[in-house]
Amino acid sequence: AQTVTQSQPEMSVQEAETVTLSCTYDTSENNYYLFWYKQPPSRQMILVIRQEAYKQQNATENRFSVNFQKAAKSFSLKISDSQLGDTAMYFCAFMKPRGAQKLVFGQGTRLTINP
Amino acid sequence: NAGVTQTPKFQVLKTGQSMTLQCAQDMNHNSMYWYRQDPGMGLRLIYYSASEGTTDKGEVPNGYNVSRLNKREFSLRLESAAPSQTSVYFCASSLLYEQYFGPGTRLTVT
Repeated sequence: AQTVTQSQPEMSVQEAETVTLSCTYDTSENNYYLFWYKQPPSRQMILVIRQEAYKQQNATENRFSVNFQKAAKSFSLKISDSQLGDTAMYFCAFMKPRGAQKLVFGQGTRLTINP
Repeated sequence: NAGVTQTPKFQVLKTGQSMTLQCAQDMNHNSMYWYRQDPGMGLRLIYYSASEGTTDKGEVPNGYNVSRLNKREFSLRLESAAPSQTSVYFCASSLLYEQYFGPGTRLTVT
C-alpha cells in the first residue's frame, strides 16, 4: 500500500518570503501521479499542482513549483513571493494511474503567511 | 456549471440515528469518491465508484453504505451513527487524473 508523509505539521513565514513544504511517499510503483492540494479556511479542496512520475521536468504553476526526486521518493512544494491568500492547509497526495485512481493523502501542513 | 455539490453543509445527529449525505456532479465524470477528514489527518477514502453501477470499499468503509444512483449522483449513508463518525465528509469526482471536490459536509454525532 502507498503511504504519504508530511513531516511539518505547521509552518509560518512572512509575506513575500519563499517557503518549501516537504512530502515523502512510499510506493513500489514506477508510474504514478503526485499532487499538492490547498485547503483554505473555506474548507474547499483546491488543486495547486500535479506531477507525473514519468516526467523528469518539475511542474510549475505561476508562483508554485515542485522539486520531484523520484529516487528519493520526495515531492516538495515551493511557494515563491508568498501572499496572505496562501494561508491554508496543504496536502500532498499520491495516485496510481491504473484502476480507480484513488488519492492517498498525507497528514497536511498548516501554512500561515504573516503580514 | 456547479461542479460538485453536497448537501447538507452541516448536520448534527444523535448516536444511533441514520442519515444520507447527497453528492451530485454536472461534469459527466465517470468516477466518484467519498472521503472523510479528521483533525490532524489527511482525507481518507471511504468508498468509491469507478463507473455508474459499481461501488467499492476504500480505506475506512465500516459503518457506511453508498449508492451510485446514476452517473451524476453518489450518496453516502450512515445507518446507525456513532461519535467516531464525527468528521468532515467530502465528495469528489474525476476524469482522467484530476479529482474535483465538493464543499464538504461537517457532521457531528453526539
